[in-house]
Amino acid sequence: GQQVMQIPQYQHVQEGEDFTTYCNSSTTLSNIQWYKQRPGGHPVFLIQLVKSGEVKKQKRLTFQFGEAKKNSSLHITATQTTDVGTYFCAGSNSGNTPLVFGKGTRLSVIA
Amino acid sequence: NAGVTQTPKFRVLKTGQSMTLLCAQDMNHEYMYWYRQDPGMGLRLIHYSVGEGTTAKGEVPDGYNVSRLKKQNFLLGLESAAPSQTSVYFCASSSWTAEAFFGQGTRLTVV
Repeated sequence: GQQVMQIPQYQHVQEGEDFTTYCNSSTTLSNIQWYKQRPGGHPVFLIQLVKSGEVKKQKRLTFQFGEAKKNSSLHITATQTTDVGTYFCAGSNSGNTPLVFGKGTRLSVIA
Repeated sequence: NAGVTQTPKFRVLKTGQSMTLLCAQDMNHEYMYWYRQDPGMGLRLIHYSVGEGTTAKGEVPDGYNVSRLKKQNFLLGLESAAPSQTSVYFCASSSWTAEAFFGQGTRLTVV
């Protein structure tokens, strides 16, 4: 079945440093989504990418979807303590297949 | 604007007991999901539904059953709870391949 792998599993950064998490799928995806889960909370949708090579920005967050639609990345510039949490990617390869989540990257920011 | 509501929020079960977790959404979404979250394991799909009256197995379905008799409700049942089912359970709903909305989660402990 479809698998979504995410690295790294953990990342500790000093406040102000950049952070990147990578997501790779075993199959071509129709779209990829990114979620953030704060400690003790539930996953919250950040963004969806649909087109090959697509790049989207949300303030300090930059999301990319690979040309082959099998990989994606989330880059945070100049991390802040408010960025702490676990970032998940999730993808599906057709309209009737469920969202499959990566294992997530837990980000810690040291002030 | 309730979104996705899960009940109960916390529960302690004895091994062998049964229980049902209820998920209700008020967004008229076709898709509903049940995930479990364990430390370091990310979100693993238990069962999902693409419409009223339909259900399908996910990655880790053993020991669980589901029903979707009404479009707005998705029930997850544990017939004979085991300590390995201690976890945080999240329900989510979405409209086709759009963003998924998550409930607040149910923290289940089986002793």
